Amino acid sequence: QQQVKQSPQSLIVQKGGISIINCAYENTAFDYFPWYQQFPGKGPALLIAIRPDVSEKKEGRFTISFNKSAKQFSLHIMDSQPGDSATYFCAASRTGAGSYQLTFGKGTKLSVIP
Amino acid sequence: GAGVSQSPSNKVTEKGKDVELRCDPISGHTALYWYRQSLGQGLEFLIYFQGNSAPDKSGLPSDRFSAERTGGSVSTLTIQRTQQEDSAVYLCASSYRPGTGGGRFNEQFFGPGTRLTVL
Repeated sequence: QQQVKQSPQSLIVQKGGISIINCAYENTAFDYFPWYQQFPGKGPALLIAIRPDVSEKKEGRFTISFNKSAKQFSLHIMDSQPGDSATYFCAASRTGAGSYQLTFGKGTKLSVIP
Repeated sequence: GAGVSQSPSNKVTEKGKDVELRCDPISGHTALYWYRQSLGQGLEFLIYFQGNSAPDKSGLPSDRFSAERTGGSVSTLTIQRTQQEDSAVYLCASSYRPGTGGGRFNEQFFGPGTRLTVL
């Protein structure tokens, strides 16, 4: 059972455009939703994260939109740059007890073309 | 400061052999995670250590997989009798004690991974 579904699998965006990646989750116990960025040969690095008590969080050019009733969240990258070309993973975890392990989506490979 | 380090960076082994993968977490991080990243499958949780508590082994795919953490720091993931389906990148991550707040909540810092190839 895939608990976090991510789409699209790959995305090509022109420089300066908006990149949008979507995720949907099934487990209503999830209450922490991070996005990780991974460059080839590197481990993932936390980009931005949101808790379900807010519907949107913005950090620089990166924004998470969260819809609790639809169990969906998305990453928006404004003014996309070639340096943003990477694989992006959404994730979810249940906090407050247990291991806080992350359940990841399968990733989106973003290519920003000049 | 230094990030999470993993060794070796690459490991090629023959089917049926045992392998050990090592992780050095960030100093001061009490939580340590192992994940597996297979092609097209995203990252899959394997095991979690927190301080001296019993580890959460719920993600280990079979009893061929085991891990230990010595002295609350370095961790070793062991795969016995490797199979071709074990080929993947094995990632280690560390964090402060989950839920303790401060900084970015529950931020897990990942190492560069060990790429395991089973022939």
